[in-house]
Amino acid sequence: KQEVTQIPAALSVPEGENLVLNCSFTDSAIYNLQWFRQDPGKGLTSLLLIQSSQREQTSGRLNASLDKSSGRSTLYIAASQPGDSATYLCAVRGNNAGNMLTFGGGTRLMVKP
Amino acid sequence: GAGVSQSPRYKVAKRGQDVALRCDPISGHVSLFWYQQALGQGPEFLTYFQNEAQLDKSGLPSDRFFAERPEGSVSTLKIQRTQQEDSAVYLCASSPRPQGQMGTGELFFGEGSRLTVL
Repeated sequence: KQEVTQIPAALSVPEGENLVLNCSFTDSAIYNLQWFRQDPGKGLTSLLLIQSSQREQTSGRLNASLDKSSGRSTLYIAASQPGDSATYLCAVRGNNAGNMLTFGGGTRLMVKP
Repeated sequence: GAGVSQSPRYKVAKRGQDVALRCDPISGHVSLFWYQQALGQGPEFLTYFQNEAQLDKSGLPSDRFFAERPEGSVSTLKIQRTQQEDSAVYLCASSPRPQGQMGTGELFFGEGSRLTVL
């Protein structure tokens, strides 16, 4: 059974810092990996999706990398802003038809002005 | 509509009551998923529909949970005889393609229905 772990569980940084969120998964037979953002009381907003054949994806100040063989992904946020404060969730989808998204527990990020 | 819509957004139920949660997926999306998110945790898979067919219900925690999508669009998640441990946010997601087909496989989530069982 796929297990996804996110470290750290919570992170507080001053505005302007660059930061890295970590995600690890136990089964490397994945179809893709997706990073989501969740604001309090809200649903999930997709940030970046990396296919299993890709190494990284970039969107603005966000960069996500994938090392499938070692079962790791990182989300890099450059020049953090208070508006980046949210919970960040990593989810992997398995290779087999019918394998659904398995989520990590999330990293709660607070960026202080 | 433009996105996945869920209702009600908030539901308070007394222990033992039945509840029904509704999901309107993005128009034309084939795949529909239900997830349960307990406070402070990541979402956990409940069930999956491809059009009107429920292809996977392995995540439903007990036989008190029932989901349907009779016409392949709107879906309802029903919880009978609610218990306190059912308190969670129930998230619905849709995707344009069936699971297993080529494509990005990206899921689009609604804002969830927060259920509190007293």
